[in-house]
Amino acid sequence: EIVLTQSPGTLSLSPGERATLSCRASQSVSSSYLAWYQQKPGQAPRLLIYAASSRATGISDRFSGSGSGTDFTLTISRLEPDDFAVYYCQQFGSSSYTFGQGTKLEIK
Amino acid sequence: QVQLVESGGGLVEPGGSLRLFCTASGFSFSDYYMSWIRQAPGRGLEWVSYITSSGDGMYYADSVRGRFAISRDNAKSSLYLQMNSLRADDAAVYFCARVKNYYDNDYWGQGTLVTVSS
Repeated sequence: EIVLTQSPGTLSLSPGERATLSCRASQSVSSSYLAWYQQKPGQAPRLLIYAASSRATGISDRFSGSGSGTDFTLTISRLEPDDFAVYYCQQFGSSSYTFGQGTKLEIK
Repeated sequence: QVQLVESGGGLVEPGGSLRLFCTASGFSFSDYYMSWIRQAPGRGLEWVSYITSSGDGMYYADSVRGRFAISRDNAKSSLYLQMNSLRADDAAVYFCARVKNYYDNDYWGQGTLVTVSS
């Protein structure tokens, strides 16, 4: 099973700053099958990025994804108050999924 | 618009069974794979199972294989999760989600809570 490790566990930033979230895989992941989600308290996750770098429908261009192999990054430029949430990466391979443990983005 | 509505959650004793339901609308249900994903209170997301569009392929996380069964009825635009031999660590909010082209989950329901306790 591929293990996804997200860092940092918690990221404290101010509105207007840039956030860089990391997702590292225990073995190589197909870029086609790496996604990022945002989840707010009491809500279902929302798809942000699929295929490592493609924005989902309706997602602001302030969100961008990059990476390949075992290292992937979600970048949020110019943080807005609504961006403070928990972010998860997810990979698909060998007919199963795994999620990272999440990064909590909190207001500094 | 795409909507997924889960139901069937509740309180069940350890060793008991529960059947979850997910009703879909706003898209051609039979064209899509579907997933179940769960989240224990205060914890992260854990994939549980997914099923192919025709229902002929079912895949499970190791933690539930042999105890849970996913199924679907395309005529009713419905997805199911039969959960047997429930354990305390199965307690979670269970989400159904649509699987898109790159195995990402683009639409999620609001979730249904399963509590396992005596």
